[in-house]
This record gives sequence, structure tokens and C-alpha cells, in this order.
Amino acid sequence: QKEVEQNSGPLSVPEGAIASLNCTYSDRGSQSFFWYRQYSGKSPELIMSIYSNGDKEDGRFTAQLNKASQYVSLLIRDSQPSDSATYLCAVIRGGSEKLVFGKGMKLTVNP
Amino acid sequence: DGGITQSPKYLFRKEGQNVTLSCEQNLNHDAMYWYRQDPGQGLRLIYYSQIVNDFQKGDIAEGYSVSREKKESFPLTVTSAQKNPTAFYLCASSPTGAREQYFGPGTRLTVT
Repeated sequence: QKEVEQNSGPLSVPEGAIASLNCTYSDRGSQSFFWYRQYSGKSPELIMSIYSNGDKEDGRFTAQLNKASQYVSLLIRDSQPSDSATYLCAVIRGGSEKLVFGKGMKLTVNP
Repeated sequence: DGGITQSPKYLFRKEGQNVTLSCEQNLNHDAMYWYRQDPGQGLRLIYYSQIVNDFQKGDIAEGYSVSREKKESFPLTVTSAQKNPTAFYLCASSPTGAREQYFGPGTRLTVT
């Protein structure tokens, strides 16, 4: 079982729709969870961090964490073409400072 | 401007040569990290350092070496022992006590 798993994608949504990106992780000791956005050819950019169960909202982005189900998700409301990118889920391994990344999900927002 | 710089952006080397990738930050972050990214893959941790003059191996350290002589700098050497060195190399740093990591622009290394 992979440590951090994301849906293989790609995901395509129309402009203005809600994009939903999902991630599961295997280490129950994980406490810190992150979403990074990576445009083609560029480096990852941190867009959300979440540490406790529930929802965390920042503008059009909402991160959701369910530790019992070992599941973290990212919702993007009112999707824009500029949101088209690969989204990486990352988790800090329990008891360490090491960040483990999923393979990423490519999102395309169609005008 | 505060930030993380990596140079060069693109690097080409012949097989059998060692090459050093630069990473500098002026954010006063204690922790620094090196990752590599291959097409269609997530990032994999090569080495990390939480304090000057100390560093630890990540998940794929074989064929790589690092140094941390200054807080601001964490260079990565890709040695000839690294079997598949062609990749996108990313340096990151993290503030003291924080878990978030922030990335530099990356260096794309091609070895032929």
C-alpha cells in the first residue's frame, strides 16, 4: 500500500464548477497534511495545510481531513482556468519530519 | 526579496561527471531539504538538514551527497554513482518549529 495515494486522474471540470481532489494515506500516526499546486514546468507551491479533523477554508479552497478514514481532500469552488495544474497531496510521516508526496492529480478547468 | 534560489535552472552533464546543484535561502529558515521529481511521479526526499553542520539521508540518498556549512546554503552533489540522475531537483526550506515546506524554482538536470 502506497503511503500517500491520489486518484490517478486527470480531472476535467468546466469553469465555475467545484473541483474535488482526494487523497488517502496509510500511516495512522500522520498529523500534518498539505496540498501543493504545481504548474507545468514549475516548482510546487503550498496552497493549504490542515492539522485537525474537519474543514479549513481559504478563499475558494477548502481542505477536509478525516483521520479516522485516513482521508484528506481539497475542494476548489468556482474553478478558474488558472487553477489548471497538478495538485500534490503531502503528509508528514508520523514521528518524523519527513514529507511524503502523492503522485499528483492533474486538473484542467475548461473555459 | 526573501526567497529560495536554485541555480542553474537547466544543467547538462555527461555521464560519469559529478555535478553540484546550488540552493540558497535568505528566509532564516533552519531546515532545508532536497527532493527529486521524475515525470508522473511524486517528489522523493534525497537529504534533509535541520541545523547547520548536520544532515540526514532521505529515502533515496544513494549516489548523492550534501553539505550544510552555512544556514543559508545547502548544496547537493549528484555523483557518478547515481544511476539515473536525469530529473527535476527541488530544494525546500521550512521555518523553525513549522511543518510547512516552501520550494525553490528547481533545477532540471539532464545527464547523457
